[in-house]
Amino acid sequence: EVQLQESGPGLVKPSQSLSLTCSVTGYSITSNYWGWIRKFPGNKMEWIGHISYSGSTSYNPSLKSRISITRDTSKNQFFLQLNSVTTEDTATYYCASAYYDGTYYYNFFDYWGQGVMVTVSS
Amino acid sequence: DIVMTQTPSSQAVSAGEKVTMSCKSSQSLLYNENKKNYLAWYQQKPGQSPKLLIYWASTRESGVPDRFIGSGSGTDFTLTISSVQAEDLAVYYCQQYYNFPPLTFGSGTKLEIK
Repeated sequence: EVQLQESGPGLVKPSQSLSLTCSVTGYSITSNYWGWIRKFPGNKMEWIGHISYSGSTSYNPSLKSRISITRDTSKNQFFLQLNSVTTEDTATYYCASAYYDGTYYYNFFDYWGQGVMVTVSS
Repeated sequence: DIVMTQTPSSQAVSAGEKVTMSCKSSQSLLYNENKKNYLAWYQQKPGQSPKLLIYWASTRESGVPDRFIGSGSGTDFTLTISSVQAEDLAVYYCQQYYNFPPLTFGSGTKLEIK
C-alpha cells in the first residue's frame, strides 16, 4: 500500500522559505502524479501543485511565482519549496498521490500523508 | 478557475437520520467524450487527513460504506449519507478535476452529530 509522510519545520519566519519533504513508500514516484495540498485554519483547502512521473510540474497560478516542486527519485521523495512566506501561508500541508486506474491518471487523490502544520510567525 | 460552492457550511443531525449536502460548480464538470463528471468527494475527520469517498461524482472508493451516495451531473452535485453514524462526524469536501490548473475544492460542509 502507498504511504506518504510529510516532514519539515513547523515554524517559519515571514519572508523566509518553507521547505517540506514528502517521503513515499510502497510505490515509486517515477510512476503516477504526486501533489501538494494545503488546508488553512477555517477549513479552506487549496491545491498547490504536483509533479508527474516524468518530473514535469504544474502549479496553482496563484502561487506560481513563489513555489517549486522537485523530487529525488533515488530517495523516493518529492519536495515543496514556497518562497517569501507570509502569515497567510499558515496552514496544514499535505502530500498526496493522484488516482491511477491502470491506464490513466486523474487529478483527484486517493492516498494522503498525515499532514504537517506550518505556522508563519516572527 | 472553476469555483466550487458547497452548502450548507455546517449541519447537525441525529444518528440514523439521512443527510444531504450540495456542491455546485461554476461550469459543467461533465466531459462529453466519456460522459463522466470530474467530481470527487472527500471526508476529513478531526485530526485526520482527507479520505477519498467518491469519484466520477457517484463511484464509491473501495471500502467506503454504501450509506455514502454521490449523485448529480453537470454543475449540481449531492453527497447523501443515508443513515448517519456517529463516526461520520467530519468535514466533507468536493473537488473538481475537470480543468486545471488549478484543481479546486469546495469550502466544505461540517457534519455534526446531535
